Amino acid sequence: DIQMTQSPSSLSASVGDRVTITCRASQSISSYLNWYQQKPGKAPKLLIYAASSLQSGVPSRFSGSGSGTDFTLTISSLQPEDFATYHCQQTDRIPLTFGGGTKVEIK
Amino acid sequence: EVQLVESGGGLVQPGGSLRLSCAASGFTFSDHYMDWVRQAPGKGLEWVGRTTNKPNSYTTEYAASVKGRFTISRDDSKNSLYLQMNSLKTEDTAVYYCARRGSGNYFFDQWGQGTLVTVSS
Repeated sequence: DIQMTQSPSSLSASVGDRVTITCRASQSISSYLNWYQQKPGKAPKLLIYAASSLQSGVPSRFSGSGSGTDFTLTISSLQPEDFATYHCQQTDRIPLTFGGGTKVEIK
Repeated sequence: EVQLVESGGGLVQPGGSLRLSCAASGFTFSDHYMDWVRQAPGKGLEWVGRTTNKPNSYTTEYAASVKGRFTISRDDSKNSLYLQMNSLKTEDTAVYYCARRGSGNYFFDQWGQGTLVTVSS
């Protein structure tokens, strides 16, 4: 199975900060990497697919980059509604696997 | 509006069975691959399995942790997805989400609200 390792597991940031979350795959997954945002008690929401494509309706402050094994989700200017947990997911090989999540908290 | 609504969760004893349903609306259900994903309390997301669509022979795949115990099926005439869970274990306790695969089938673009399954004696 492909292991997905997210870092950090949590971070504290202020409104307006630039935030970067990384996701590393245990083997190359090309660009089959997605990012989801999840708020407490809610279902995940797709933010970025295919490593760098912004899902329709998602604010442009979210961006994704990377290919192969190393990927990054960047929030250019953190907003109050962005405090949530972020999950990466690989869809290159079955079984599909997720990273452990990164919780973004208010500083 | 696209909607996925899960139902059927609840409390079940270890070794028991439960059938979850996911009712879809607002899109052409029969066109899409569909998946089940679960999340144990306070934990991350775990893929459970998926079914393809009719052109792809309704092929199913499962995570190793549920293979042989869980079965995914769908009824396109009812716009519904199902997860039959047998021989349940305490470690199957989780919120179960159904999710729609988006164009190209490489990401989940719509999720249900989830249904909680608790396996406990």
